[in-house]
Amino acid sequence: EIVLTQSPGTLSLSPGERATLSCRASQSVSSSYLAWYQQKPGQAPRVLIYGASTRATGIPDRFSGSGSGTDFTLIISRLEPEDFAVYYCQQYGSSLWTFGQGTKVEIK
Amino acid sequence: QITLKESGPTLVKPTQTLTLTCTFSGFSLSTSGVGVGWIRQPPGKALEWLALIYWDDDTRYSPSLKNRLTITRDTSKNQVVLTMTSMDPVDTATYYCAHRPGLSRYYFDYWGQGTLVTVSS
Repeated sequence: EIVLTQSPGTLSLSPGERATLSCRASQSVSSSYLAWYQQKPGQAPRVLIYGASTRATGIPDRFSGSGSGTDFTLIISRLEPEDFAVYYCQQYGSSLWTFGQGTKVEIK
Repeated sequence: QITLKESGPTLVKPTQTLTLTCTFSGFSLSTSGVGVGWIRQPPGKALEWLALIYWDDDTRYSPSLKNRLTITRDTSKNQVVLTMTSMDPVDTATYYCAHRPGLSRYYFDYWGQGTLVTVSS
């Protein structure tokens, strides 16, 4: 089973700043199988990025994903007030699905 | 428009079996590649994938919970049912069902609102 480790656990930033979130896999993951989600308090997660770098429908272009193998990154180029939330990476491999433990992006 | 909604008990006792139903609309679970998964989230903690059923009735389970889970579907009712045996207080969580969009799509694009299940005597 592939384990996803996200870092940092918490990111304290101000609106307008750039956020860089990391997701590291315990073994190689196909880029096609890596997704990112945003979750706000009391809400279900929302998919932001799939296939490591493809933005889901309606997702603003300030969100971008990259990476390959075991290292993947989500970048929010300029934080808007609505972007402060928890972000999860998720992978599919060996017929199983796993999530990372999340990164909280909070207002500094 | 795709929607999913979870239903089931809000409180179960330790050792009991939990049965949750996901009722969906806007897609068919007979369409090639489509799947419905269950994911849970203990209060203040991370998401945990539990199980998934595919359009062809293939099923997959989290290895750590495999012995306790069963996922089935009723295509005529547009429902997916998850049963979890031997419930324990650590199973207290919000349980979500979610839609896997199709072949070569390895993510969940639509989620239910979630249902909080508390395990307590």
